Amino acid sequence: EVQLVQSGAEVKKPGESLKISCKGSGYRFTRYWIGWVRQMPGKGLEWMGIIYPGDSDSRYRPSFQGQVTISADKSISTAYMQWSSLKASDTAMYYCARHIGEQQIHDGFDIWGQGTMVTVSS
Amino acid sequence: SYELTQPPSVSVSPGQTARITCSGDALPKKYAYWYQQKSGQAPVLVIYEDSKRPSGIPERFSGSSSGTMATLTISGAQVKDEADYYCYSTDSSGNHRVFGGGTKLTVL
Repeated sequence: EVQLVQSGAEVKKPGESLKISCKGSGYRFTRYWIGWVRQMPGKGLEWMGIIYPGDSDSRYRPSFQGQVTISADKSISTAYMQWSSLKASDTAMYYCARHIGEQQIHDGFDIWGQGTMVTVSS
Repeated sequence: SYELTQPPSVSVSPGQTARITCSGDALPKKYAYWYQQKSGQAPVLVIYEDSKRPSGIPERFSGSSSGTMATLTISGAQVKDEADYYCYSTDSSGNHRVFGGGTKLTVL
């Protein structure tokens, strides 16, 4: 079964760092772009960025560039999203998702992780 | 920045046809994708590349695109189809990927 399994919910304070993960299984992890999508409480979906685990090539939405870092460790089929200094406005559900087509950079997502809820509060 | 525009809400009675639209300047050249998100759950792909249906998605879900508008049609909508629906696409350069604002479908 093709699936993405994300790390568990996090509660952090402003200014703290965080790295959440997304582990793929059931397919060739290195050959599909993986994306991250933010959903703030009660709001819609926002595309944040994507990474190709095969060579770690990445793209970011301009508003997220410099605010988060997307990475991948192909040896353990895991993608990551990290923050160096969290803000209260980072409170949201974060989803990872896989592109539909192998090696297709311009594509939609078919397989989604279950989501990781990040709460940032003092 | 590029935007996809959806109506905030659509309401139909069970058995009726629900149509949810998504407008964007680049849609004549770029595919639209549609996602269903039920409360508290991750999104699910229901239509890709304008009109293709993934395996496991009921035949009552269909998609089309004409000009600057893509449409998700749910024929014979059921109460269990109540959800938020999002379109997704890119701008003409392919560099800016966006979701529409979402449409809340009510079936009652």
